[in-house]
Amino acid sequence: RKEVEQDPGPFNVPEGATVAFNCTYSNSASQSFFWYRQDCRKEPKLLMSVYSSGNEDGRFTAQLNRASQYISLLIRDSKLSDSATYLCVAAGGSYIPTFGRGTSLIVHP
Amino acid sequence: GAVVSQHPSRVICKSGTSVKIECRSLDFQATTMFWYRQFPKQSLMLMATSNEGSKATYEQGVEKDKFLINHASLTLSTLTVTSAHPEDSSFYICSALKWTSGTSYEQYFGPGTRLTVT
Repeated sequence: RKEVEQDPGPFNVPEGATVAFNCTYSNSASQSFFWYRQDCRKEPKLLMSVYSSGNEDGRFTAQLNRASQYISLLIRDSKLSDSATYLCVAAGGSYIPTFGRGTSLIVHP
Repeated sequence: GAVVSQHPSRVICKSGTSVKIECRSLDFQATTMFWYRQFPKQSLMLMATSNEGSKATYEQGVEKDKFLINHASLTLSTLTVTSAHPEDSSFYICSALKWTSGTSYEQYFGPGTRLTVT
């Protein structure tokens, strides 16, 4: 079983839609969590860190549920430019990050 | 954010030659850097953790004699692919840890190096 699991999608949504991704992690010792965005043939770019209290950055909201060991990312008012692969990351005390395989999002007109 | 550069961005080499890839943190010091490789439509695979001033820690299945890592300064880590073969062709990406507080950090990626071995 992979340590970090994500639904690969693709999620195909119209512009303006709200879409949510979930990610589960198996290592209960994980302490730090992040969402990254990766465009085709590019490097991952940090989208946001995920804090225990949940955090919001514009149209993006991330939440952490330690009891159920999952994190989520909510994107409101989807834009065409949001089309990308979203990577979930969990890291433990050694700071070594474990990446999920990514969830593909396609936003269409 | 923070800036991590990687050089070269693209390299084509012949089988049997060695290729060195540089990863630099431009606006922060990074005691820890990571090297990944990624095949098309697959997830990032961590190859090794590079710690400044000490030997790199390699993930299981990664040959340390083939993928030489040197983290000689707080802003530079290098990955040398020795005696490259076509199966080493991949997208190699480095990242650096930036501490935002005593206990919080963020990881920033370089733009990647696309290696093609002919």
